[in-house]
Amino acid sequence: GNSVTQMEGPVTLSEEAFLTINCTYTATGYPSLFWYVQYPGEGLQLLLKATKADDKGSNKGFEATYRKETTSFHLEKGSVQVSDSAVYFCALRGRAAGNKLTFGGGTRVLVKP
Amino acid sequence: KAGVTQTPRYLIKTRGQQVTLSCSPISGHRSVSWYQQTPGQGLQFLFEYFSETQRNKGNFPGRFSGRQFSNSRSEMNVSTLELGDSALYLCASSQAGTVDEKLFFGSGTQLSVL
Repeated sequence: GNSVTQMEGPVTLSEEAFLTINCTYTATGYPSLFWYVQYPGEGLQLLLKATKADDKGSNKGFEATYRKETTSFHLEKGSVQVSDSAVYFCALRGRAAGNKLTFGGGTRVLVKP
Repeated sequence: KAGVTQTPRYLIKTRGQQVTLSCSPISGHRSVSWYQQTPGQGLQFLFEYFSETQRNKGNFPGRFSGRQFSNSRSEMNVSTLELGDSALYLCASSQAGTVDEKLFFGSGTQLSVL
């Protein structure tokens, strides 16, 4: 079945540091890949997505590239802010799995001033 | 446009009781999915409804059930509650439930089973 593995946190950074969160997946067929963010006490918000190989999703300074050869979708941001402190989830949605989202375990990011 | 609304926000029940959670999707959205979030198991898919029909189901026991009404509002029910059912239950909606569509999540219902 489908699965997503992402690096465990917490990741603690200083403001303006570079952020990378690794995400790899196992899936049948050609899934769509997503990064969601969850702020304290809130639901999930879509951060970015990529629907086919070599697509790059980007939003709010975050980027991730769909790498089919390495089955990866790593999230990066060049200069983090305190407001980026949250839990980040990598997820996939595959046609073979009936369109449900399969999530990674989440990575907590804490950005200190 | 109002977002996905889940009620109640918090709920406390005791073992053996049953509970019903409600989700109102964004206007015009016909697909509603439910997820369970726990510290140990993370985010797990419960089920998806589209136009009042269950279209997909996760690996949860039959105590977990749901339904969708003609106005796309959805409810999920958990019978004979167990301590392990304590979780944040998230609802998400989209227009047609296609694989590339953006899902919009509600803030969730935090269920505590004592």
